[in-house]
Amino acid sequence: QVQLQESGPGLVKPSETLSLICTVSGYSISSGYYWGWIRQPPGKGLEWIGSIHHIGSTHYNPSLESRVTVSLDTSKNHFSLKLNSVTAADTAVYYCARVGLSVPDYWGQGTLVTVSS
Amino acid sequence: DIQMTQSPSSLSASVGDRVTITCRASQGINNYLAWFQQKPGKAPKSLIYAASSLQSGVPSKFSGSGSGTDFTLTISSLQPDDFAIYYCQQYNSYPITFGQGTRLEIK
Repeated sequence: QVQLQESGPGLVKPSETLSLICTVSGYSISSGYYWGWIRQPPGKGLEWIGSIHHIGSTHYNPSLESRVTVSLDTSKNHFSLKLNSVTAADTAVYYCARVGLSVPDYWGQGTLVTVSS
Repeated sequence: DIQMTQSPSSLSASVGDRVTITCRASQGINNYLAWFQQKPGKAPKSLIYAASSLQSGVPSKFSGSGSGTDFTLTISSLQPDDFAIYYCQQYNSYPITFGQGTRLEIK
């Protein structure tokens, strides 16, 4: 059973860097698939942030590309998200997901990140 | 970016009803369309990919159709557990984009 779990600070100050880790169990991230991040501002819809292939190639949403980095750590079987220069508009529930054929099939439970001083 | 527009934005229905939700793409996306169900406080759940293929474990009461720019999700014999928000997602081209969601409520 594939399971994903997000972890990281729930509160980030404006202009600082949001950093999250998604720990995967039940599947080795080096074996295949893309691994992605999606976010959802409170009460709003879903926004694709970006994804990384198990061999390292990435795809980012152009609206965030200048501020976002997604990376893999196969030794720890986790992948991470870094979003710099955050503002209140980056307040959202952040989900990690396994992405098969560009469709997220397994999702983490999500973690709320609030940007506030 | 490809814009995805769902209609209606909200829908009231009764247990036992059959409902249809529409998703329209701003340009052709072949059949690269997925549907998700999201319940309050939970992560979305993948229902359908490639416009009409059910994800493993998803009951056959859910069905999808369409190609090009117009797609539908049909849910038959509504049960209380089906009342949720439904999103479509295109993956024909990056960036991947979602519809704004359709809230399915109990009448």
